[in-house]
Amino acid sequence: KAGVTQTPRYLIKTRGQQVTLSCSPISGHRSVSWYQQTPGQGLQFLFEYFSETQRNKGNFPGRFSGRQFSNSRSEMNVSTLELGDSALYLCASSLTGGSYGYTFGSGTRLTVV
Amino acid sequence: GQQLNQSPQSMFIQEGEDVSMNCTSSSIFNTWLWYKQDPGEGPVLLIALYKAGELTSNGRLTAQFGITRKDSFLNISASIPSDVGIYFCAGQTTIGAGSYQLTFGKGTKLSVIP
Repeated sequence: KAGVTQTPRYLIKTRGQQVTLSCSPISGHRSVSWYQQTPGQGLQFLFEYFSETQRNKGNFPGRFSGRQFSNSRSEMNVSTLELGDSALYLCASSLTGGSYGYTFGSGTRLTVV
Repeated sequence: GQQLNQSPQSMFIQEGEDVSMNCTSSSIFNTWLWYKQDPGEGPVLLIALYKAGELTSNGRLTAQFGITRKDSFLNISASIPSDVGIYFCAGQTTIGAGSYQLTFGKGTKLSVIP
């Protein structure tokens, strides 16, 4: 059974640019959550999608957005990148919403220069 | 917002020693989860706890859900070199029907000296 797949693994962008990250959940999983991980703030919740609808949102500016497709694959977008957006972005999937724990992908390492 | 205090921040131990780490919160959680993260990888679920007072084992790992629902601990017995990594606790909150949110501790970095 394939795990959660995130692409790309590494990304370098310039300040002011925008970026799109992709997440393919485990087959059959309908909930996808996104987290930002930085050394200073740790793991912070961005948003959760279920059946193509954003069901929950963390405390991040509107520059961070996401969407989910009918096959449960999800993308997150960050516009007008800032240096502070450099982080490991993790995607996690679960059957319905995490009641039995989430399975995380390996993440996308974003560096903003 | 909710915060989890995880301690210790880091540990250096000899191979074969037992390890203990814990998380405390000012908020109540429905579920406590413990994850391990290796460098360059995402967190991997080690143990999930669903009831206050629950004590659960997974091999050499044992975790407990505190009676007050505001704390949890993880013990690792007879540590081995592959136990090296960062261990995170996470408290799970119900947001809505079928929707949950995880709040993570800052992690405990474990180093094992052979």
